[in-house]
Amino acid sequence: GAVVSQHPSRVICKSGTSVKIECRSLDFQATTMFWYRQFPKQSLMLMATSNEGSKATYEQGVEKDKFLINHASLTLSTLTVTSAHPEDSSFYICSAEGLGSYNEQFFGPGTRLTVL
Amino acid sequence: AQSVAQPEDQVNVAEGNPLTVKCTYSVSGNPYLFWYVQYPNRGLQFLLKYITGDNLVKGSYGFEAEFNKSQTSFHLKKPSALVSDSALYFCAVRDMNRDDKIIFGKGTRLHILP
Repeated sequence: GAVVSQHPSRVICKSGTSVKIECRSLDFQATTMFWYRQFPKQSLMLMATSNEGSKATYEQGVEKDKFLINHASLTLSTLTVTSAHPEDSSFYICSAEGLGSYNEQFFGPGTRLTVL
Repeated sequence: AQSVAQPEDQVNVAEGNPLTVKCTYSVSGNPYLFWYVQYPNRGLQFLLKYITGDNLVKGSYGFEAEFNKSQTSFHLKKPSALVSDSALYFCAVRDMNRDDKIIFGKGTRLHILP
């Protein structure tokens, strides 16, 4: 149990376009989802925390208008990188947390974004 | 504020030898401590966690970690290393008395030499 998926696993886009990344909890209901960003050879940096049905809470320094997060259901959260630029190229990882035995963060496999 | 330190960027161990990956933490309340492993271009895989109870925690793939409150440490150990253990290891802490954020260490790259 406790499987989290991300789609796509890898995406290449042109500068100025928008990219949507999906994060799904496959076998449990995720009351909270987290989005992280990881630069090469660095640790994970928390970007935002989202609770189902409410606005996401962004970490300091993260542009909420650039990184749009939607958590419309208990099994799905999306991260949209708007007007992507090469500096947005990174590895994006989501995690999901539920209740009871799922009251810890389970991580997705990550999405590699490359902006040309 | 809570923080996690992994003092070693890289650890090299010969196959078959015991390995230790160090981690120290700082929280104001009670810590929940985690170890994750990451293989290239992959997400994080959970290894083990400490919440309460026995200080020695056993996890996946033969790994274990010892919670030491006086030294505020949570070192990851394995009695006999395998080449397949080569990966990036992250220690993480969560202060359940404050909020639900997990703070990650910078990671330690483990190289197991055949």
